[in-house]
Amino acid sequence: AQSVTQPDIHITVSEGASLELRCNYSYGATPYLFWYVQSPGQGLQLLLKYFSGDTLVQGIKGFEAEFKRSQSSFNLRKPSVHWSDAAEYFCALRPYNTDKLIFGTGTRLQVFP
Amino acid sequence: ETGVTQTPRHLVMGMTNKKSLKCEQHLGHNAMYWYKQSAKKPLELMFVYSLEERVENNSVPSRFSPECPNSSHLFLHLHTLQPEDSALYLCASSQDGDNEQFFGPGTRLTVL
Repeated sequence: AQSVTQPDIHITVSEGASLELRCNYSYGATPYLFWYVQSPGQGLQLLLKYFSGDTLVQGIKGFEAEFKRSQSSFNLRKPSVHWSDAAEYFCALRPYNTDKLIFGTGTRLQVFP
Repeated sequence: ETGVTQTPRHLVMGMTNKKSLKCEQHLGHNAMYWYKQSAKKPLELMFVYSLEERVENNSVPSRFSPECPNSSHLFLHLHTLQPEDSALYLCASSQDGDNEQFFGPGTRLTVL
């Protein structure tokens, strides 16, 4: 079965601290992987995506993610969090040759000053 | 207008009402999507249109009826909804063959 798991429902960090949001997937081959961010009252904005090649991908707003095939993971990282990063973050996979995006349940990030 | 727009942003309706949600994309894409976002559940893909043809319908109840009159517009017609249909309905678009979907801000629907 194809699925995405985000084990952390809610994470709280202090501004300036480093951040890692976990994402694990279940898929029989190498999927296309995405991280989206959703601010309150807004739609989803793409942060970064992995299709192939370099397993460390850079995204917007200083985010990066690393694809680890052996762990079926695609964790999102940021070295220093800003208060404006408070939002909900969604990991998603797209099976090869389909239009379908399969989302995790999301991780809500809270940032304290 | 740029990107993907959705109207209305908020909608409250009774179970016997008929209403429609509208989505418009200004990106020149040829595929459009409806998603349902409920609290504490993953986003659920409802419908996919590619080149104005419906290519996917994920077992959505018939009280939800999509319409795609052209590649820039997508509607979701609603009738006799249930309270559990209350959710954020998101529209997205992409260029067929490309992997990135662009999302609108959503319509927050409340069914009383």
